[in-house]
Amino acid sequence: GAVVSQHPSRVICKSGTSVKIECRSLDFQATTMFWYRQFPKQSLMLMATSNEGSKATYEQGVEKDKFLINHASLTLSTLTVTSAHPEDSSFYICSARDIAGGLGELFFGEGSRLTVL
Amino acid sequence: QKEVEQNSGPLSVPEGAIASLNCTYSDRGSQSFFWYRQYSGKSPELIMSIYSNGDKEDGRFTAQLNKASQYVSLLIRDSQPSDSATYLCAVNPVGGGYQKVTFGTGTKLQVIP
Repeated sequence: GAVVSQHPSRVICKSGTSVKIECRSLDFQATTMFWYRQFPKQSLMLMATSNEGSKATYEQGVEKDKFLINHASLTLSTLTVTSAHPEDSSFYICSARDIAGGLGELFFGEGSRLTVL
Repeated sequence: QKEVEQNSGPLSVPEGAIASLNCTYSDRGSQSFFWYRQYSGKSPELIMSIYSNGDKEDGRFTAQLNKASQYVSLLIRDSQPSDSATYLCAVNPVGGGYQKVTFGTGTKLQVIP
């Protein structure tokens, strides 16, 4: 299957700092990438849809000024958690869809576990 | 009504048995359907895709799709303890393309040695 790489896998930061998470599609081009957040023992929660070359579409209740998404190329999307606070501690996962076809499957990155102290 | 519904479980099956995971969806025009496996603390991993009515087999896994009943299932034969995970059903909407895939909340499977 297609490979999506996410970095960093773990990050610990102090409250008030910003953290950037990268999501790369390694062997395919992805016009659309999706960002999810998952709290322990809970379901995936879609945060936003990232489209190459345009503004991200955020789900209701997700603060776009706090979670900055940039999709500058067909293989890279970034999520920046700005002024992070302990309540932002979570597991952040990206996924990407191959624009070349298939059934529209999403391929997930390994996830990034953020801990805000 | 939720767009994609799954029983949260846990579903417990003995090692070697068949595990049957079920999913229903509300959008009759949905085009393609996926099963993902998610181990605790890890990200989801695609295990099966299906878009035609009927069965699709891959190793110990069989996906079954019935569009008339808006029902998709996953059978795991010869279940192993390593199959213990949460299984997510996902549905691609009408038109597919750039639209978001809708996920169920997942069914937790426990395979008892």
